[in-house]
This record gives sequence, C-alpha cells and structure tokens, in this order.
Amino acid sequence: DVKVTQSSRYLVKRTGEKVFLECVQDMDHENMFWYRQDPGLGLRLIYFSYDVKMKEKGDIPEGYSVSREKKERFSLILESASTNQTSMYLCALGGWDTTEAFFGQGTRLTVV
Amino acid sequence: GIQVEQSPPDLILQEGANSTLRCNFSDSVNNLQWFHQNPWGQLINLFYIPSGTKQNGRLSATTVATERYSSLYISSSQTTDSGVYFCAVGFNMEYGNKLVFGAGTILRVKS
Repeated sequence: DVKVTQSSRYLVKRTGEKVFLECVQDMDHENMFWYRQDPGLGLRLIYFSYDVKMKEKGDIPEGYSVSREKKERFSLILESASTNQTSMYLCALGGWDTTEAFFGQGTRLTVV
Repeated sequence: GIQVEQSPPDLILQEGANSTLRCNFSDSVNNLQWFHQNPWGQLINLFYIPSGTKQNGRLSATTVATERYSSLYISSSQTTDSGVYFCAVGFNMEYGNKLVFGAGTILRVKS
C-alpha cells in the first residue's frame, strides 16, 4: 500500500510564526504536490516538485515556499503565518499523467 | 485555465437510494479521477477513468472524453457513503503539469 504521511493532523499557530508542514512518502515517486482545501473552492495547487531540489509554483503560491532536499520528503513553509492561511493542507503524489493520485491524511491548520 | 464543474453541490439521500454525480470539464485532459473524502479528511481514490466505464461494487463511473464529462453513479447508498466527492482532471501545460479539482459534491446519506 502507498503511504503518504503528513506530520500533523491538527495545528494551531500564531500570526507571524514560521510554520513547517512535512510530507513523507514511501513510494519513491518523483512527483509531489501541496494543495489547500477551502469550502466551496475544492483543492487548489500551491506548489509541486518533480525531483529533488526542483519546485514549481502552482495556482496560489503567495505566502508559501517549499523544500525538497530528499526524494521522499516535501515540506511546505508558511514564512509568516496569517489568518487567511487557516485551511486544510493536503500533500499528494502523482495524478497529473497516467497515474493515480495518492493523498496524505491532511493537516488542519488554524492561525490565530 | 481549464474549468472543472461538479453538480450538484449538495445532495441528501435516504439510505438505499441511487444517485448520479456529474463532472464537466472545459478542455482536453490526460486523465480523470474521482475521489471520496471521508469525514476525517482523508481523500481516497475511487476511480482512475480517462475514458470508458468502470465499476467497483456499488459504484460505477463513466467518462466521455469527446463530450468532456464524467459521471459517478452510486447505487443502494449507505451512510458510509457520506462525505465529499471530488472530480479531478490531469493535463499538460507548457509551464507544468497539473491535476485540477472541481469544487466537490457534499453527499449526506440518512438512515
């Protein structure tokens, strides 16, 4: 079974804090993605990566950065958390080509 | 960019009823997938279906790529079917390759 593990299920942070969300996979998959999910908007792509040290902006990259130093780990960084970044964050593998997408369990982040 | 529209946005069913969820997309795509998000937030891949029809138990899906739509059919619904159903399409762009999601259909099955 594919395993995509996100470091936290629930997280509460203060405005202005630097926040790290971690995602680890056991599939040796090149493609990893970070989405955020908000009611009525579906999932929107923040950043993605096709290889180690490679990253591309998605549709809503403002206020976020990413890091991929090892193939199995893809980190999402909120440089200075704001209340409008309160959301559900989902990490995924694959899906855009001829492969299925697999998701982590999600991190519900609240910024107060 | 590509648009993915799902209907209906909300659906309430009595246990045992059947339903059809629809997904329309605005351009040619590499693939189409259906997901179910359970109440705890986990997204599970139901079908990878760029074209044709597939069945898995009480669920079936059909994609007609030439007409740019897909349908998810749920028969004899159960309370465990409750959650959010997402349709997502994958396609190539000159600056990257993406999976784009619809806004989802919220399904509530009552016992």
